[in-house]
Amino acid sequence: KQEVTQIPAALSVPEGENLVLNCSFTDSAIYNLQWFRQDPGKGLTSLLLIQSSQREQTSGRLNASLDKSSGRSTLYIAASQPGDSATYLCAVRARRDSGYSTLTFGKGTMLLVSP
Amino acid sequence: EAGVTQFPSHSVIEKGQTVTLRCDPISGHDNLYWYRRVMGKEIKFLLHFVKESKQDESGMPNNRFLAERTGGTYSTLKVQPAELEDSGVYFCASSQATVEAFFGQGTRLTVV
Repeated sequence: KQEVTQIPAALSVPEGENLVLNCSFTDSAIYNLQWFRQDPGKGLTSLLLIQSSQREQTSGRLNASLDKSSGRSTLYIAASQPGDSATYLCAVRARRDSGYSTLTFGKGTMLLVSP
Repeated sequence: EAGVTQFPSHSVIEKGQTVTLRCDPISGHDNLYWYRRVMGKEIKFLLHFVKESKQDESGMPNNRFLAERTGGTYSTLKVQPAELEDSGVYFCASSQATVEAFFGQGTRLTVV
């Protein structure tokens, strides 16, 4: 059974700091890994998608890496801003017993960036 | 292009009542998923449609939950009768094959 763990559960940093969010998963047989952002009371916004054959993806100040063999991913946020404050979720897509694939989520990291 | 849309955004019902949640996926996405997040837990898979067919409903908590996707377009998730432990945020997502999943804003269900 696939399990996804995110560390830390919460993080508070001053504006401008570079930070790393961690995600680990127990079964390396995944199709891809997706990082999401969730603002309070809002839905999930996809930030980055890394296919299982890829090592990293970048979008603006965000960089996500994937080490499938060790079951780890990191989300690097450069020069953090107050607008980055949100909950960040990691999810892996893997095959289920049905033969189809779905996402398994971690509990998320709640990030607060103070001015 | 419109994203995944869910109705209502919030619903407060009494225990024993019935509630129906609706999801309109991105046009052309054959795959539609329902997920749920209860307080303090991670988002968990409920079921998966490919077009109008249920491919995997192993995540459905019990037979009080019924999902349909008539004509392979929008989907509904009915809870009847609702119990207190059904409270949470219900998310719908759609995708093309095994690529990026796009989520709706969720429906916050509160059963009192």
